[in-house]
Amino acid sequence: QSALTQPASVSGSPGQSITISCTGTSSDVGGYNYVSWYQQHPGKAPKVMIYDVSNRPSGVSSRFSGSKSGNTASLTISGLQAEDEADYYCSSHTSSSTWLFGGGTKLTVL
Amino acid sequence: QLQLQESGPGLVKPSETLSLTCTVSGGSISSSSYFWGWIRQPPGEGLEWIGIIHYNGNTYYNPSLKSRVTISVDTSKNQFSLKLSSVTAADTAVYYCVTKKSGSGWYDYWGQGTLVTVSS
Repeated sequence: QSALTQPASVSGSPGQSITISCTGTSSDVGGYNYVSWYQQHPGKAPKVMIYDVSNRPSGVSSRFSGSKSGNTASLTISGLQAEDEADYYCSSHTSSSTWLFGGGTKLTVL
Repeated sequence: QLQLQESGPGLVKPSETLSLTCTVSGGSISSSSYFWGWIRQPPGEGLEWIGIIHYNGNTYYNPSLKSRVTISVDTSKNQFSLKLSSVTAADTAVYYCVTKKSGSGWYDYWGQGTLVTVSS
């Protein structure tokens, strides 16, 4: 199984919105609503920001939102803040009852 | 609130077996409500899912690692463990123990991670 495809990097200025894509296949992203997004700051463990495609855990800012169309899921961060600068990973359940991660996207806040 | 803590050797020789333990606090590893698992991250690289186990023994492994991986549960110690055999330098990574609720598709609790280096 191959990793889900994410852009290596994205950037935006404070206050702007950015979107990170995550492309898989009908056997993973397209076939299940078990898509989640994780934020990882340097030296820290990942933290879930979005689960089940578009749900936010308690305590996560409403500036983070998720969606899915076909085999591609997306994470949108609106009103960018300096603290959002981090690596972001998507993850999906697969038809083999396993989990796949994306290669990760480095977000730079200019 | 669940807390997870990894422990084990930080240095393993090539061809040997990597062994890590995750101690669970704040909840019972025998709960049917959770799966327990491992995810790793090579230095400077992305996350790789290794596998998960339910206390009833059901296991699911990454196909690329399946022949070398064993995840098990020790209910008496409220711990679960990872064994990865025949390691090479490519297995050098930060290893995280994680948990997810049964029926959910996301990992809500993570250990702090432990770096394991494979080198002679």
